[in-house]
Amino acid sequence: DTAVSQTPKYLVTQMGNDKSIKCEQNLGHDTMYWYKQDSKKFLKIMFSYNNKELIINETVPNRFSPKSPDKAHLNLHINSLELGDSAVYFCASSQAQGPYGYTFGSGTRLTVV
Amino acid sequence: GENVEQHPSTLSVQEGDSAVIKCTYSDSASNYFPWYKQELGKRPQLIIDIRSNVGEKKDQRIAVTLNKTAKHFSLHITETQPEDSAVYFCAATPLAKYIFGTGTRLKVLA
Repeated sequence: DTAVSQTPKYLVTQMGNDKSIKCEQNLGHDTMYWYKQDSKKFLKIMFSYNNKELIINETVPNRFSPKSPDKAHLNLHINSLELGDSAVYFCASSQAQGPYGYTFGSGTRLTVV
Repeated sequence: GENVEQHPSTLSVQEGDSAVIKCTYSDSASNYFPWYKQELGKRPQLIIDIRSNVGEKKDQRIAVTLNKTAKHFSLHITETQPEDSAVYFCAATPLAKYIFGTGTRLKVLA
C-alpha cells in the first residue's frame, strides 16, 4: 500500500501545453510539499501546505499553481510549459510542520519538448 | 539566506571500508538534521536524523554526529556494501523549512 503516490510517473509534452500532476498520501500527515529536482540532482522546495493551507511559496513562476482539496491531496498544475520546466517533481509529506522527516512520492519525470 | 554546504560531491570507497559525508550550515536556528538516500531513478528516503539536543545517533552501520558550535554534521557509514551506492542528501531546517545540501554520489566498489 503506497504511502505517497504520484501520477503520472512520466509526462512528455510540448512547449506551451498545460499539465497537472497529482499527489495523494495515506499516512494521515498534516503537511505536504512539492519539490523540483533538476538534472544536477538539486532538490528545491516549491510549495508547502499544512492542513490545506499554503505555508511556503518559494520564488516559483506563477505558471505553477498548487491546489490542496484536502490534507491528503496536493496537486500541481503548470500552465504554458517551457523547456526549463523539464525536471523530476517530487511530492512529499510529513506528520506536521515540524520539522520532521519526509516521506517522498516516487516522482514525476516531466519532459518538455 | 540559509546555506547548506555538502562535501564531497562524489566519493568512491572499496567495499568494507567506511564513508564519511560532511555538511555545514549557517543558520543557528536549525534544530533538526535529516539524511536522505536516493538510489538511481528512485525517491529520496530518510535513513537517519538527529535533533540538536543530541550529539550522536547510530542505527546499525550508519551514524550521524552533530557539532552545534561549529555548525556541522556528518554521516558515517561503516562496512560499506554495494547497495550503499546512491546519492546522499543532508538537510538543515531553519524555522522548520528544509534546506538540502547539494548531494554526495557514493560509489562502493566491489
